[in-house]
Amino acid sequence: ETGVTQTPRHLVMGMTNKKSLKCEQHLGHNAMYWYKQSAKKPLELMFVYNFKEQTENNSVPSRFSPECPNSSHLFLHLHTLQPEDSALYLCASSQESSGNYGYTFGSGTRLTVV
Amino acid sequence: AQKITQTQPGMFVQEKEAVTLDCTYDTSDPSYGLFWYKQPSSGEMIFLIYQGSYDQQNATEGRYSLNFQKARKSANLVISASQLGDSAMYFCAMILKVGESSGSARQLTFGSGTQLTVLP
Repeated sequence: ETGVTQTPRHLVMGMTNKKSLKCEQHLGHNAMYWYKQSAKKPLELMFVYNFKEQTENNSVPSRFSPECPNSSHLFLHLHTLQPEDSALYLCASSQESSGNYGYTFGSGTRLTVV
Repeated sequence: AQKITQTQPGMFVQEKEAVTLDCTYDTSDPSYGLFWYKQPSSGEMIFLIYQGSYDQQNATEGRYSLNFQKARKSANLVISASQLGDSAMYFCAMILKVGESSGSARQLTFGSGTQLTVLP
């Protein structure tokens, strides 16, 4: 248990489905992140939430929709995905303005789009 | 723009020997932080070690040490006395220390990773 919990661990969905990834952190951090890790590619930052406000959206297609209802929970809503969206989706959290610059990552959701 | 380069897609090391994983970075900002993470096949990213750009000494954490050469912009990870459980993907990452008053979260940028295999 890393302090950042992601569910589900594995997800297979069709291109017409709608699903959501969930991330929960119990560390008291105030910033949360979604990263995408495709095979043979560096991790790509998708979204950043700082104090529940979205501060970054790195040109992510609208079929990915983030939601941060509070500082402990982060969702990634998925709809009409493409096969190339198959990847490991990692959530992370950090405590801004504390002098501790570490990110804590969850175990990821391995998504397969068929 | 900041950039992280890991030139070794794969490395092999004999158990109990030391191994160095290379990382170079590029930034014009004088204030930054460098991280190494380990990613086993299960997928989670495990924090290993951190080096701040103003730190005078190289960071060490148990069997991990960071060979920080600021002028060369390199931050190589040294793993001493390799163990079979060290077999994993290793990522170098960099973060810019934006001002406390900026109100925006910092961003961690990753290199492409090095797959380390420890041989018995």
